[in-house]
This record gives sequence, structure tokens and C-alpha cells, in this order.
Amino acid sequence: KNEVEQSPQNLTAQEGEFITINCSYSVGISALHWLQQHPGGGIVSLFMLSSGKKKHGRLIATINIQEKHSSLHITASHPRDSAVYICAVEITEGGADGLTFGKGTHLIIQP
Amino acid sequence: DAGVIQSPRHEVTEMGQEVTLRCKPISGHDYLFWYRQTMMRGLELLIYFNNNVPIDDSGMPEDRFSAKMPNASFSTLKIQPSEPRDSAVYFCASSFLRISEQYFGPGTRLTVT
Repeated sequence: KNEVEQSPQNLTAQEGEFITINCSYSVGISALHWLQQHPGGGIVSLFMLSSGKKKHGRLIATINIQEKHSSLHITASHPRDSAVYICAVEITEGGADGLTFGKGTHLIIQP
Repeated sequence: DAGVIQSPRHEVTEMGQEVTLRCKPISGHDYLFWYRQTMMRGLELLIYFNNNVPIDDSGMPEDRFSAKMPNASFSTLKIQPSEPRDSAVYFCASSFLRISEQYFGPGTRLTVT
């Protein structure tokens, strides 16, 4: 069983739509990261959070520690948001040190 | 700062050859991570260093893989001998603290034929 599960795996939406990507994990964590991987392959860190909510521009990330769940929201989506979004966690006990990754959500925003 | 620098960006080699991937972290970052990304397994941590010292290499697949960090500004990941199943994109990342935002390099796409 994967320790980090993302949904959906693939998402196609129209420009302007509100996007939600979900991440669930089954272990205790100290932090959760959201990463963006562009079609060219580069990886950019969007957020690191351990509680509550963070916002940067049109991106919002939330985490519920009790429910072991995080969401990444994109408001007023744009074709340039098309990318793979990856959730990764820092496991506190019994897991490998360092980041454990979800499989990613492939997002396409059509004009 | 130029960000994390990796070289080469692309490497094509024949099975059995030695491959060396290089990484220069962001100046002042005490942590350096090597990751591998494949279609089947996604992103996986291979090894990470703190102040040039390897801390956790449990993700290194087998003895054919080795990593070094001789100084704060340079790390290598070596595969000897290489095999076709080593074909992947290898990312290096660095961070200031153990649990903090990580900055990724552009990756090295390795193809072993």
C-alpha cells in the first residue's frame, strides 16, 4: 500500500475553473510538500506545511493533520498551470528518512 | 544564486559503463538530496547528506550505486557498472534545514542501452 495517495491521477479542465487536487497519507508526518513538475521536467516547490493553510497567488494549500489529508487548490486556472502536481511527506516514525512521494496528478487546463 | 546545478543534462551510455552524475547545491544549504524518477516508481529518495556527511543511504538500490560529497559545493552520484534498468531522471535537491523547502536541480536524464 502506498503511504501517499493522490487523486485524481489525471484531470482535464477548462480555463478559469477552480481546481482541487487531493493527497491522503497513512502515516504520521512532520510536514507535507506540494511540488509542481513542468512538462519540461523541472520540479518547483510550491508549499511546505505542517498545519492549517497557505496561499500564494492563485494557489492555496490546506492540511488536516487529524484526517491525514491535504488539498491543493488553484483558482482561476490557466493553461500555464498545466503540469504534474506531486504531494510528498516527511514521515516521522518507521519510514524512510526524507521525502516520500505520491504518484502525482497530471493536470491539463484547456483554453 | 544560480540555483542547484546538475551536469550533464542528458547522458546516454552503454550497459556496463561507469556513469557519474554531478551536482552543485545552493550556497549555504546544509542538506543535499539525490532522487530518482521513473515512470513505474515515480520519485524516490536515494541518499541525502548533511554538511557533506551521508546520513541515510537506504534508498540506494544496490552496491553499483555510490555517492560522495567531498565539499559543500559538490556532490557526485556514480553508477558502476550501469544497467538498462538504471535509465531514469536523476534529480539533486538542496535545502537549508532538514525539513524545509527543497530546491531541485534540472535533473539528468540517463539512458543506458
